[in-house]
Amino acid sequence: GEKVEQHESTLSVREGDSAVINCTYTDTASSYFPWYKQEAGKGLHFVIDIRSNVDRKQSQRLIVLLDKKAKRFSLHITATQPEDSAIYFCAAKGYNVLYFGSGTKLTVEP
Amino acid sequence: DAGVTQTPRHEVAEKGQTIILKCEPVSGHNDLFWYRQTKIQGLELLSYFRSKSLMEDGGAFKDRFKAEMLNSSFSTLKIQPTEPKDSAVYLCASSLGSQDTQYFGPGTRLLVL
Repeated sequence: GEKVEQHESTLSVREGDSAVINCTYTDTASSYFPWYKQEAGKGLHFVIDIRSNVDRKQSQRLIVLLDKKAKRFSLHITATQPEDSAIYFCAAKGYNVLYFGSGTKLTVEP
Repeated sequence: DAGVTQTPRHEVAEKGQTIILKCEPVSGHNDLFWYRQTKIQGLELLSYFRSKSLMEDGGAFKDRFKAEMLNSSFSTLKIQPTEPKDSAVYLCASSLGSQDTQYFGPGTRLLVL
């Protein structure tokens, strides 16, 4: 089955800087790649996704890039704010099922 | 519009007990998922329903875990009997269809003593 590797387990940035979280996947058939944010004691909150028919998608301060050849996708958070601090999960959708990365704990320092 | 709701939010059980976790998906959603989240294993799929039919039943969890979708707006996850290693956060998610975004509930934190 699909395996998703999330490369940064922790990431610390200064407020206003950009943060980048990288993920790789193994199954070339995967075609949908969502990102979720989890704050302490809460469920996963959907933030942005990208499908395999495009290689870039932006929603306000969030940018997702997809490199299908390298089987790699990344989340870029620009102009970070303290409220961006959370754990971020990438995922790849295989047949019917989402396979999740292990999460990146992002800390935005004032 | 209400999101995914899960009850209870916290559950403490003795080893060997039966516990039932509940989930109400977003109204109109056809797909429902149960996941288990632990620090070591991360997020693992337990069950996946499409229009109330069981589509995926996580192999490692068949033994003591049983998810049911009694109607399109209510699902339960039964763990019987519970073991300390079942201590985790159990997340329910729903989506409109198989190609659509999954929306998650707040989770049930289970502690088995």
